[in-house]
Amino acid sequence: SYELTQPPSVSVSPGQTARITCSGDALSKKYGYWYQQKSGQAPAVVIFDDIKRPSGIPERFSGSSSGTMATLTISGAQVEDEADYYCYSIDSSGDHLVFGGGTKLTVL
Amino acid sequence: QVQLQESGPGLVNPSQTLSLTCTVSGGSIGSGGYYWGWIRQHPGKGLEWIGHIYYSGNTYYNPSLKSRVTISIDTSKNQFSLKLTSVTAADTAVYYCARVRRTGITPWFDPWGQGTLVTVSS
Repeated sequence: SYELTQPPSVSVSPGQTARITCSGDALSKKYGYWYQQKSGQAPAVVIFDDIKRPSGIPERFSGSSSGTMATLTISGAQVEDEADYYCYSIDSSGDHLVFGGGTKLTVL
Repeated sequence: QVQLQESGPGLVNPSQTLSLTCTVSGGSIGSGGYYWGWIRQHPGKGLEWIGHIYYSGNTYYNPSLKSRVTISIDTSKNQFSLKLTSVTAADTAVYYCARVRRTGITPWFDPWGQGTLVTVSS
């Protein structure tokens, strides 16, 4: 079955840039999406269609994609950005919607 | 602003059927334009897509769960539902409902309900 691979954890100091990667064979042809899940809350999208930011999401959140890797970048990470981040996409056949294993972002 | 709320039993016996309902407010699920879906999260683990449905009744299921899953929709009540048969402890999870958007080829979930924990145990 199709898999999206993320690092288990990323740690930065406040104000630094955090980058979270997501690797998957179909990402070269399919869009990547990023969800933020804060403790005890439901996930919420922060990036859709590789690079687009929903209204209300701070500009410090950005997305990019190159080859089989999608990247979520948080420029000037804040303490309130501490959360689990999940990438999401679809397999090449279009039959299976898949989430990555999640990356715990620590900002301290 | 669309809001979703899951409801249903928090405890299900092994081998029985898990049944959940998602009530949508702030928008009509029968107006088209969106799908409506279910995702689950095992305790302390990642997210797993279960399936989604269009107002017309067209359904799409995770191949790994397809044999046990039924998603249905009731536009008159502005609700959609999940049934998962023959449950085991491995089905213990927080179950989320969500609106499914399609800005391109890939459907994606936004917004989500708050989630409901379902425990499978006797």
